[in-house]
Amino acid sequence: AQSVTQLGSHVSVSEGALVLLRCNYSSSVPPYLFWYVQYPNQGLQLLLKYTTGATLVKGINGFEAEFKKSETSFHLTKPSAHMSDAAEYFCAVSGLRDDKIIFGKGTRLHILP
Amino acid sequence: EAGVAQSPRYKIIEKRQSVAFWCNPISGHATLYWYQQILGQGPKLLIQFQNNGVVDDSQLPKDRFSAERLKGVDSTLKIQPAKLEDSAVYLCASSLGQGQGEQYFGPGTRLTVT
Repeated sequence: AQSVTQLGSHVSVSEGALVLLRCNYSSSVPPYLFWYVQYPNQGLQLLLKYTTGATLVKGINGFEAEFKKSETSFHLTKPSAHMSDAAEYFCAVSGLRDDKIIFGKGTRLHILP
Repeated sequence: EAGVAQSPRYKIIEKRQSVAFWCNPISGHATLYWYQQILGQGPKLLIQFQNNGVVDDSQLPKDRFSAERLKGVDSTLKIQPAKLEDSAVYLCASSLGQGQGEQYFGPGTRLTVT
């Protein structure tokens, strides 16, 4: 069985500050891990994904995430927040070769001017 | 490349009425998914199709929800009769189905049941 826990349903950061959104997963098989972003009234857009290989994954819009197997974590970071980053972010997990994705409950990111 | 299309974008109905949602996946994508996203939660998979066959419908409330994907392209999701707790955004997604897990999402249909 797989599951995802996102710590903090709401996170606020100042414009220009570091963004850190936390995600821990549970998986009985080697996981594929994802971060999706959802802007208001839109569908989900893939930010980045980890499948195999390099554990530091770079995505779109300056985001990156690091897969840490020992900590079962896949935290999302961005060095400098921009107002346009305000959105809801979902961490997700799927099994190797399995199309089924399990989503976390999401973290809403607020950017303070 | 066109993305996943869904219609309608918004729907308001009274409880016990019926409603249908339509999804057109990305051309060539064999796998199609319907998700339910209740306010404040992540998307929950309702049903997964591989071409025109059902792969997983374990979370679909089959007493009131039904879905089909005739000819393995477009899909419709129906609710009959609707309940208040069905108020949610219904997301359609598609993927190549190669086991890479990357799914592409449509904009969703926001359903309000009054």
